[in-house]
Amino acid sequence: EPEVTQTPSHQVTQMGQEVILRCVPISNHLYFYWYRQILGQKVEFLVSFYNNEISEKSEIFDDQFSVERPDGSNFTLKIRSTKLEDSAMYFCASSGSVNSPLHFGNGTRLTVT
Amino acid sequence: SQKIEQNSEALNIQEGKTATLTCNYTNYSPAYLQWYRQDPGRGPVFLLLIRENEKEKRKERLKVTFDTTLKQSLFHITASQPADSATYLCALDLRGNAGNMLTFGGGTRLMVKP
Repeated sequence: EPEVTQTPSHQVTQMGQEVILRCVPISNHLYFYWYRQILGQKVEFLVSFYNNEISEKSEIFDDQFSVERPDGSNFTLKIRSTKLEDSAMYFCASSGSVNSPLHFGNGTRLTVT
Repeated sequence: SQKIEQNSEALNIQEGKTATLTCNYTNYSPAYLQWYRQDPGRGPVFLLLIRENEKEKRKERLKVTFDTTLKQSLFHITASQPADSATYLCALDLRGNAGNMLTFGGGTRLMVKP
């Protein structure tokens, strides 16, 4: 069964550094998402992406964050100037249509020190 | 403000029994509600989706009900097994759209004892 893959599984970075989290969505899906989950808390929506542009974003997704689909298979989340509070599990997801269920990857655990 | 709530306490049941998990939401009526399973250190896995015009949905040992008057969904696992032990999340688009800007509940941790 096709799956969403994320790399790396764990990323440690120093405060103020930039990180790029990578995702390969399911190949025939058109909608892509990033969610995050701070340890012990709820899964939170960050951004959705369709047709090479952001379609929705939450209040969390401020100017520090950006997303890109640099080629036909990858979908990336860039976090500039990381802060301690950015430490979380970041999940990529994809779906075939806007109202079909999400397929999540197993996440990248980001630790900012 | 809009919110979605699940019983944060863990649910412990004996193998073979039926587990019932509750999801309550406020304000807007969503077009549909989704249930996901999450294992420790893993991403959520989709289980079932129920639409606003559906009262009940089944998939193998799973059953979901959706009461838009009570603003509540119940998630049942019949003949539970230790392998069903996980955290179960409900999620919906609180804007009422049929979209995927999902708000997740905090999840209910289910422990099935052999």
